[in-house]
Amino acid sequence: GQSLEQPSEVTAVEGAIVQINCTYQTSGFYGLSWYQQHDGGAPTFLSYNALDGLEETGRFSSFLSRSDSYGYLLLQELQMKDSASYFCAALLYNQGGKLIFGQGTELSVKP
Amino acid sequence: GAVVSQHPSRVICKSGTSVKIECRSLDFQATTMFWYRQFPKQSLMLMATSNEGSKATYEQGVEKDKFLINHASLTLSTLTVTSAHPEDSSFYICSAKPTGNGNTIYFGEGSWLTVV
Repeated sequence: GQSLEQPSEVTAVEGAIVQINCTYQTSGFYGLSWYQQHDGGAPTFLSYNALDGLEETGRFSSFLSRSDSYGYLLLQELQMKDSASYFCAALLYNQGGKLIFGQGTELSVKP
Repeated sequence: GAVVSQHPSRVICKSGTSVKIECRSLDFQATTMFWYRQFPKQSLMLMATSNEGSKATYEQGVEKDKFLINHASLTLSTLTVTSAHPEDSSFYICSAKPTGNGNTIYFGEGSWLTVV
């Protein structure tokens, strides 16, 4: 079956750096996306990796290693507003945008 | 940027009735759209793939006669929850990828369904 594993929750303090890991087991893997979701809201796109390596977008970076079926999201200079759920999602090849989501990681940022 | 709009954002319906949720791509065409369901504190679970001009493809365990999907145009897909029950109360979200180049997926704002 298709599955993505990520930690259920992470706690960090303001200004710190946190890494959320994601391992995946999917057929037809094309790339790994990361989404942020605040309570009651829709997912917001953060980052996408199709190739191995690091993608940097402001305070957020994402990494992918296809050989290890592994990726992570790195959040730097944490702010209180970063408290949210973060989902990794596998984009499946040639299926028009089909995403399979991990279970989500709830990030709590403390003062 | 590209926008996907869902309507209604919140709906309350009585048990046994049907409710329709619309998903529109406002400035791009989408041959394929996707419908997800999310229960509180859980992940997004793919329900079905909506294909313009043809039948939807449902994920295992999703009742196609209960969750009717129609993708009548390149910018509109609808999800109708038929004979709704309280256990159908959930957050329903659609997504779409512009036909052609790119791998950016755009999500709608989501629709909260409460069945009473």
